[in-house]
Amino acid sequence: GAVVSQHPSWVICKSGTSVKIECRSLDFQATTMFWYRQFPKQSLMLMATSNEGSKATYEQGVEKDKFLINHASLTLSTLTVTSAHPEDSSFYICSARRLAGGGGFGANVLTFGAGSRLTVL
Amino acid sequence: DAKTTQPTSMDCAEGRAANLPCNHSTISGNEYVYWYRQIHSQGPQYIIHGLKNNETNEMASLIITEDRKSSTLILPHATLRDTAVYYCIVRASTGNQFYFGTGTSLTVIP
Repeated sequence: GAVVSQHPSWVICKSGTSVKIECRSLDFQATTMFWYRQFPKQSLMLMATSNEGSKATYEQGVEKDKFLINHASLTLSTLTVTSAHPEDSSFYICSARRLAGGGGFGANVLTFGAGSRLTVL
Repeated sequence: DAKTTQPTSMDCAEGRAANLPCNHSTISGNEYVYWYRQIHSQGPQYIIHGLKNNETNEMASLIITEDRKSSTLILPHATLRDTAVYYCIVRASTGNQFYFGTGTSLTVIP
């Protein structure tokens, strides 16, 4: 089945440093990937839509200069948290969109990575 | 995309069927109903999706009412490993993003 690999699974960094998180679709091509963040006991919040070969689309309130997204190939998207601060500590989850048939029709479904837990000291 | 309403939490006895409801009274004709679940500290997992007809796969069944204003996810024989937050999402087939609501926290009790 479809698998999305996310790396690293957890990272601890000092305030002011930048952290890169990778998201790879292992057995399918994904022209579109999504990045979410999740704070404890809260739901997933969509941060941005990553499109292969073009600029990412950010949700309202998400700083594009703070969260740099690159989607250079059909199987890889990266999220870089620049100049991280303790308030950026969160669970970051990527997902890749794929077509899935079922019941005689097809629709887009998302396959998620396992998530990356970022702790900024 | 149509908004969904789910109960905040539910309990289910192990081995029994878990029935998770979702209201989506403003759903449009081209919008699908998707279900995902998230086990603690993991990425969400796709369960099932449907448009009009009831659907079944190896994980669950999805029952959509005739007017499509609500649906129920059924886990036929709940196990302890089914304890998770279950999210119901309504999204157009031509839509791009998936937005998550607060979901239902299901606890399967031994």
